[in-house]
Amino acid sequence: AQTVTQSQPEMSVQEAETVTLSCTYDTSENNYYLFWYKQPPSRQMILVIRQEAYKQQNATENRFSVNFQKAAKSFSLKISDSQLGDTAMYFCAFTPPINFGNEKLTFGTGTRLTIIP
Amino acid sequence: DAGVTQSPTHLIKTRGQQVTLRCSPISGHKSVSWYQQVLGQGPQFIFQYYEKEERGRGNFPDRFSARQFPNYSSELNVNALLLGDSALYLCASSGRLAKNIQYFGAGTRLSVL
Repeated sequence: AQTVTQSQPEMSVQEAETVTLSCTYDTSENNYYLFWYKQPPSRQMILVIRQEAYKQQNATENRFSVNFQKAAKSFSLKISDSQLGDTAMYFCAFTPPINFGNEKLTFGTGTRLTIIP
Repeated sequence: DAGVTQSPTHLIKTRGQQVTLRCSPISGHKSVSWYQQVLGQGPQFIFQYYEKEERGRGNFPDRFSARQFPNYSSELNVNALLLGDSALYLCASSGRLAKNIQYFGAGTRLSVL
């Protein structure tokens, strides 16, 4: 069974600073997908970034980037130039690409991030 | 284009009652998944349906059931409600063009009194 661990329940950072959220996971699969989702107070889970395990290059999306260390089973999210709108719960999630239509997401417990003006 | 829509937004039930939650996926998406998110925790997988067939089931009791309709919308049913069923229920859809990416609705907040 896969597990996802987020060891930082809460974090806060000044606006415009950089912050890194940690995530580790455990799996026996060799190929899989990792995600960071953001859940603001509006409750809707929003995809931030996706990483495919067979790609060595770290994924980036504008101010968001990941540090994917496959051997260490580590998948951290870096937010640069943080903005007030980044305030939210952030969840790390894992799914094995078994077959399309069988894509159970396993989530961590989340990190509550607060951006301070 | 409309995203994943869920109804109702909020629901209050009493113990022992039954509830039905509804989800409409993004147009063109044929896969729908349901998750339960208890306050302060990450979402837990309940069911996945693809092309009207159940493709996955999480560790939930038989009181939880679901189905998918020919238009790919889905319903989640929970019978004999318990206080512990109080949670945010999230629906997600995915399509072949964005394989392995699930897009979420805003959820249904269920309170069991």
